[in-house]
Amino acid sequence: GNSVTQMEGPVTLSEEAFLTINCTYTATGYPSLFWYVQYPGEGLQLLLKATKADDKGSNKGFEATYRKETTSFHLEKGSVQVSDSAVYFCAPGPGGFKTIFGAGTRLFVKA
Amino acid sequence: DVKVTQSSRYLVKRTGEKVFLECVQDMDHENMFWYRQDPGLGLRLIYFSYDVKMKEKGDIPEGYSVSREKKERFSLILESASTNQTSMYLCASRTQDTEAFFGQGTRLTVV
Repeated sequence: GNSVTQMEGPVTLSEEAFLTINCTYTATGYPSLFWYVQYPGEGLQLLLKATKADDKGSNKGFEATYRKETTSFHLEKGSVQVSDSAVYFCAPGPGGFKTIFGAGTRLFVKA
Repeated sequence: DVKVTQSSRYLVKRTGEKVFLECVQDMDHENMFWYRQDPGLGLRLIYFSYDVKMKEKGDIPEGYSVSREKKERFSLILESASTNQTSMYLCASRTQDTEAFFGQGTRLTVV
C-alpha cells in the first residue's frame, strides 16, 4: 500500500520568509498527490494537487511539483503570511479505498 | 458548495456512555471515512465504507463501530466511551479518484 514521510514540525518562520515542507512517498503505480491544510479548529481542506509526473500544483501562493524520480512532492511558498499558520498534510492517493496521510507539519508564522 | 457536515463541533460524554457521531455528505460520494486526530499521531483511520451497508476496518477499529444505511450518511459509534477515546474525530468522503472532502471535525471529550 501507499505510505508517506513528511517533515516533522513545528516549523516557525517570520512573515515573508520562504517555506519548504518536505514530503516523500511510496506508492503502487503513479498516484495523484495532494497537500491538505488544516486551520485551527477546522477539518482538512485541499490546498493543491498534481495528477501526474512533473505536474505542478499551485494555490494561494503555494506550489508543489510531482517528482516521480525522487518520489517527492515538497510544498513551497515564497513569502509566508501569519494567516498561513496551520497544519499541512501530504497525501498520496487515493491508493485504492484508503487515503493515507502524512503525520502533518505544524507551521507557525510570526508577525 | 459541496459539503460534509458533522453533527456536533464539541461533545462531552461520560465514561461508559454510548456515543453516536453523525456525518452527512451531499456529493453522492461512494466512499466515506472516519479518522481520529491526536497530537503527534496525525490522522488515523478508524473505519471506512465504500458503499451502502458496506464497511471495512481501518487501522484502529477497536472500541468503535459504524453504520451506513444511506449513501449520504456515515455514523461512528462508540459502544462504551472511555477516556482514551477523547480526541478530534474527522469524517471525510470522496469518489474513487478524487481528493477527500472533510467535515469540520467533532472534538469529543470523555470524562
